[in-house]
Amino acid sequence: DAKTTQPPSMDCAEGRAANLPCNHSTISGNEYVYWYRQIHSQGPQYIIHGLKNNETNEMASLIITEDRKSSTLILPHATLRDTAVYYCIVRVGGYGQNFVFGPGTRLSVLP
Amino acid sequence: DSGVTQTPKHLITATGQRVTLRCSPRSGDLSVYWYQQSLDQGLQFLIQYYNGEERAKGNILERFSAQQFPDLHSELNLSSLELGDSALYFCASSVDGVFGYTFGSGTRLTVV
Repeated sequence: DAKTTQPPSMDCAEGRAANLPCNHSTISGNEYVYWYRQIHSQGPQYIIHGLKNNETNEMASLIITEDRKSSTLILPHATLRDTAVYYCIVRVGGYGQNFVFGPGTRLSVLP
Repeated sequence: DSGVTQTPKHLITATGQRVTLRCSPRSGDLSVYWYQQSLDQGLQFLIQYYNGEERAKGNILERFSAQQFPDLHSELNLSSLELGDSALYFCASSVDGVFGYTFGSGTRLTVV
């Protein structure tokens, strides 16, 4: 069952910030928000995850709204190599709960 | 290189045949997951193993089976292959259940 809603596609100019939204209005208190991306037919790549607080790593920032019903993945300076399908997934931490991939957002970074 | 090794990278076989896909997880990861990605279905979870034991099952057909060996590598066996089994098969591993999985580069299976 899809627990998240993402726009099917987005464009971003190279060098600009890419802001990818995700709605997860039915998220439970113990569910994390995860982001993955898949470049062409390569294996999906883990980007970042968070529970309540905003998170940042070397790849991206994750902004989660206070009510946790939506989040935004931010790629601060998009490059052509960031062109990929981005998946937003909500999942309980721990074993036995697997990642359910929806259709994601196809991000095209344009020169 | 993600640290998850899948072999072979490409496989072409005929309908009705049986194949085995192999996955070596990242060093230290106890869990292995198998996913199938076909053009019309997206990424579908098949099965999970943790330290040799089956932990979760997804939409895995009865013609498919998997196992995880004592050295933690895993094999996915696909039998009585049909044209619709043509897909990318990904293996992923993780050290625990909270952090993200690390995916391999996949095996592209073509059934002709």
